[in-house]
Amino acid sequence: NAGVTQTPKFRVLKTGQSMTLLCAQDMNHEYMYWYRQDPGMGLRLIHYSVGEGTTAKGEVPDGYNVSRLKKQNFLLGLESAAPSQTSVYFCASSRQGGYTFGSGTRLTVV
Amino acid sequence: AQSVAQPEDQVNVAEGNPLTVKCTYSVSGNPYLFWYVQYPNRGLQFLLKYITGDNLVKGSYGFEAEFNKSQTSFHLKKPSALVSDSALYFCAVRDSGGASKIIFGSGTRLSIRP
Repeated sequence: NAGVTQTPKFRVLKTGQSMTLLCAQDMNHEYMYWYRQDPGMGLRLIHYSVGEGTTAKGEVPDGYNVSRLKKQNFLLGLESAAPSQTSVYFCASSRQGGYTFGSGTRLTVV
Repeated sequence: AQSVAQPEDQVNVAEGNPLTVKCTYSVSGNPYLFWYVQYPNRGLQFLLKYITGDNLVKGSYGFEAEFNKSQTSFHLKKPSALVSDSALYFCAVRDSGGASKIIFGSGTRLSIRP
């Protein structure tokens, strides 16, 4: 059972470059989430989705876009990366409140 | 707005001793509270949750948490610490805005010395 899979696991970007982080879940969960983790700040919600074709803003959405074209996939995009977006990104999926997390993507923007 | 606070950045305990990781919460309505653990270079793993019922909740790996409504606390406990318990622990609360969103505390690093 794969659970929640994130790709890539590591990435280094130059300021201004764009990239997409992919999250895939095989548990048929309705809800999916993108969080970023920064030292001393816990996890902060970027965007989330309550179902295929729907997305919503979380606590820190600026500089990010998301899409959920298929139920099993939730994509996080950075159109023009900034050093402030250096972080570890976690995807999670949920049904009835039980979260399953991916193993994270470590992104460095230089 | 819902929130949780973890007042300690780090907790150090000797192996075999009891451990407590503190969490206080602020919610409107009934609290849905969680504890998660994160091992190095890994995602978060669910430990336990409180929704309703018994104030003492038992979870994975021998951990338990005590819900105290009057003190608005949900402290994580274990009677006898293991070196393998060393990790980052997050307290969390379900947001009242729906979609099962969870709000996390800032985390407490637990270090167990042999």
